[in-house]
Amino acid sequence: ILNVEQSPQSLHVQEGDSTNFTCSFPSSNFYALHWYRWETAKSPEALFVMTLNGDEKKKGRISATLNTKEGYSYLYIKGSQPEDSATYLCAFDSGGYQKVTFGIGTKLQVIP
Amino acid sequence: SAVISQKPSRDICQRGTSLTIQCQVDSQVTMMFWYRQQPGQSLTLIATANQGSEATYESGFVIDKFPISRPNLTFSTLTVSNMSPEDSSIYLCSAAVGDGYTFGSGTRLTVV
Repeated sequence: ILNVEQSPQSLHVQEGDSTNFTCSFPSSNFYALHWYRWETAKSPEALFVMTLNGDEKKKGRISATLNTKEGYSYLYIKGSQPEDSATYLCAFDSGGYQKVTFGIGTKLQVIP
Repeated sequence: SAVISQKPSRDICQRGTSLTIQCQVDSQVTMMFWYRQQPGQSLTLIATANQGSEATYESGFVIDKFPISRPNLTFSTLTVSNMSPEDSSIYLCSAAVGDGYTFGSGTRLTVV
């Protein structure tokens, strides 16, 4: 059983604050690390697909880094807004459309 | 990227009954997946559904309990059979698209 852990499991921040959370995953059999944003009653939205050690990706105020050697990825949100409130999921992908293993998610609540 | 329409979005069902969840993709996809998220747990893969072959079930999930159909490259159904309160979960379908995955908006099932 692959161990994909996310921390913290929930987080409350004030509007305008920057925040970050962590996804840790096995350092072997790595193909890709996916980040998703999941709002209640909506489809999980793909944020990033990260494949290379040292990758840094950015989408607006959200960015992510990847360290495959030590098995972790950080997701950063700069200047949090209420519309950023969602659950952020990471998923470990060992490639070839094999089983993708999800973390439990970090539930972010941005307080206006 | 593909869009998946999933229905129903939610249902409340009596124990012992069955519910069929449908996912329609707006383009042809080879691989579709069904996930379950029990309260406080991570998304867990139930099975992989390929058109023209039987679904492949993960450990702990069996065809009699979760029969899956995949009649063509744009559609799949998951049936939750002989439901018990332990089946109360969010059920999510997904399709492999490009280097990532697209998801339906989920079915929130409550069994009473």
